[in-house]
Amino acid sequence: AQSVSQHNHHVILSEAASLELGCNYSYGGTVNLFWYVQYPGQHLQLLLKYFSGDPLVKGIKGFEAEFIKSKFSFNLRKPSVQWSDTAEYFCAVSLLPSGTYKYIFGTGTRLKVLA
Amino acid sequence: AAGVIQSPRHLIKEKRETATLKCYPIPRHDTVYWYQQGPGQDPQFLISFYEKMQSDKGSIPDRFSAQQFSDYHSELNMSSLELGDSALYFCASSFGTSGTDTQYFGPGTRLTVL
Repeated sequence: AQSVSQHNHHVILSEAASLELGCNYSYGGTVNLFWYVQYPGQHLQLLLKYFSGDPLVKGIKGFEAEFIKSKFSFNLRKPSVQWSDTAEYFCAVSLLPSGTYKYIFGTGTRLKVLA
Repeated sequence: AAGVIQSPRHLIKEKRETATLKCYPIPRHDTVYWYQQGPGQDPQFLISFYEKMQSDKGSIPDRFSAQQFSDYHSELNMSSLELGDSALYFCASSFGTSGTDTQYFGPGTRLTVL
């Protein structure tokens, strides 16, 4: 069965440190890729998405992600984190072609940024 | 901008009771997805609707049913509730099913079964 793996379940960083969160998926076909963020007590918000084209995508709040097809990866990066980035981050994949585009989520990474 | 609305936000039920969760998609969105997120787990797809027809089904128990109405809102009906049904239930909406759609999530309904 298709799956999405996020290897880092908990990450603690100091402000201004660089961030990289890993995401790998298991599916040999075409995929759409997403990163969502969930701040404490809030709903999932889209950070960035990849459908096609330039494998390096930029999202909101200074986040970016790179799709490496050969590695089935879509890692999230931010050069300098802020305390306000403390949240849970989910990688999600939808499979193509498909009658619907339900998401398969990774297990999430809880990021804590220390001021 | 209008977002996805879910009601209620919190729900407490006893075992074997029934519950109805409602989802109001973003205006003009015609597709609704339901996900279940257990404690410490990732969201799991339950069911989806496109233009009021069920479009896909995931790991949804037979005790659960759902539908999408003419105004595109959706309801998830849960019967014979079990302790294991305690979870956060997300609804997401999107426009169309072209493959380049982004799902926008509601705040979730936190269901606690006692």
